[in-house]
Amino acid sequence: QTVVTQEPSLTVSPGGTVTLTCASSTGAVTSGYYPNWFQQKPGQAPRALIYSTSNKHSWTPARFSGSLLGGKAALTLSGVQPEDEAEYYCLLYYGGAQWVFGGGTKLTVL
Amino acid sequence: EVQLVESGGGLVQPGGSLRLSCSASGFTFSSYAMHWVRQAPGKGLEYVSAISSNGGSTYYADSVKGRFTISRDNSKNTLYLQMSSLRAEDTAVYYCVKGGDPNAFDIWGQGTMVTVSS
Repeated sequence: QTVVTQEPSLTVSPGGTVTLTCASSTGAVTSGYYPNWFQQKPGQAPRALIYSTSNKHSWTPARFSGSLLGGKAALTLSGVQPEDEAEYYCLLYYGGAQWVFGGGTKLTVL
Repeated sequence: EVQLVESGGGLVQPGGSLRLSCSASGFTFSSYAMHWVRQAPGKGLEYVSAISSNGGSTYYADSVKGRFTISRDNSKNTLYLQMSSLRAEDTAVYYCVKGGDPNAFDIWGQGTMVTVSS
């Protein structure tokens, strides 16, 4: 049973910087896990932010960036805005078309 | 505008069946893999199923294998999820998701709610 782990919750001040991480129970996350990141606000469908570790979609705000950090996938928000308050999910690839979501991080902007 | 619209959700009894549809527009549907992702009430996202662009390859999460069937009709720009032997734990919002870059999930539908209850 593969488990992908994210911080359950984080709090950041407006204008601040925060990093969310995504760890795999199988070991270090590498680019071969093709990390994807999604944002979901209450009552809405998820929205894609990042794919293949660090690539942004055309609609992804510049303040969002993806990377690998200490054996985990990471999503960094720089210059956080109040509208960034949301649930964030990572998604990792395990081969054979198997993808696994993390449990999500609830980001509070306070 | 790229758009995905799911339909077919509703209330079904345990052991029953339901077919979800996802109508795609604004892109060349036949060129992209498609996925189903679900979210139980108050819970996180769960990857359910995938199908290749030509329908020749499919994938199912263990939780639905043998009970759900994914398919697509490229002539109708429509993705399907046939669900049978439904259980209470299948209760969720089901999202249709477009595959982008070979390893990207870019466009999400608004979701359709499936409730399994007697």
